[in-house]
Amino acid sequence: EPEVTQTPSHQVTQMGQEVILRCVPISNHLYFYWYRQILGQKVEFLVSFYNNEISEKSEIFDDQFSVERPDGSNFTLKIRSTKLEDSAMYFCASRLGLRRGYNEQFFGPGTRLTVL
Amino acid sequence: TQLLEQSPQFLSIQEGENLTVYCNSSSVFSSLQWYRQEPGEGPVLLVTVVTGGEVKKLKRLTFQFGDARKDSSLHITAAQPGDTGLYLCAGLSNAGGTSYGKLTFGQGTILTVHP
Repeated sequence: EPEVTQTPSHQVTQMGQEVILRCVPISNHLYFYWYRQILGQKVEFLVSFYNNEISEKSEIFDDQFSVERPDGSNFTLKIRSTKLEDSAMYFCASRLGLRRGYNEQFFGPGTRLTVL
Repeated sequence: TQLLEQSPQFLSIQEGENLTVYCNSSSVFSSLQWYRQEPGEGPVLLVTVVTGGEVKKLKRLTFQFGDARKDSSLHITAAQPGDTGLYLCAGLSNAGGTSYGKLTFGQGTILTVHP
């Protein structure tokens, strides 16, 4: 069964460093998302991406964050200069379409980011 | 900002008991999804409810979407230790309007079923 994959599973970085989290969405899906979950808190929406551009972003997704789909398969989240408070699980999700019957989002296993 | 309040936050019951988890909002969602999440893993989709008043069954799990599409419930009959886990509800914003379908999550319910 097709699934969303994410790498790495765990990333440890120093404050101020840049990190890139990678995702491979389900191959025929058109809508891509990043969410994060700080330990013990809700899953929070960061950004949605469609047709090679950001379609919606939350207040969390400031200038330190960027997303890219550099080729036909990968979807990346870059944090330019990490802060301690960026430590969280980051989940990628993808969806086939927006219409009823196609709007279910499937999540990857997540990348645990630890900023020291 | 849309909010989804999920309750209870913790539920500890004996095997064989029934339970209900609730998700409530003042906002209307185009659909509502229920996920189960294991520690250190991503949410796994259980079901999507779309139509107001819709009821879906998945073995011993019954999911209901409120008539006004602002609330939902998950009912588990005769819970088993294998049902132990974190259950999340997530409302889908108005797709095709100004939103491209972001999910708003509830806080989650940690269910423990004791043998």
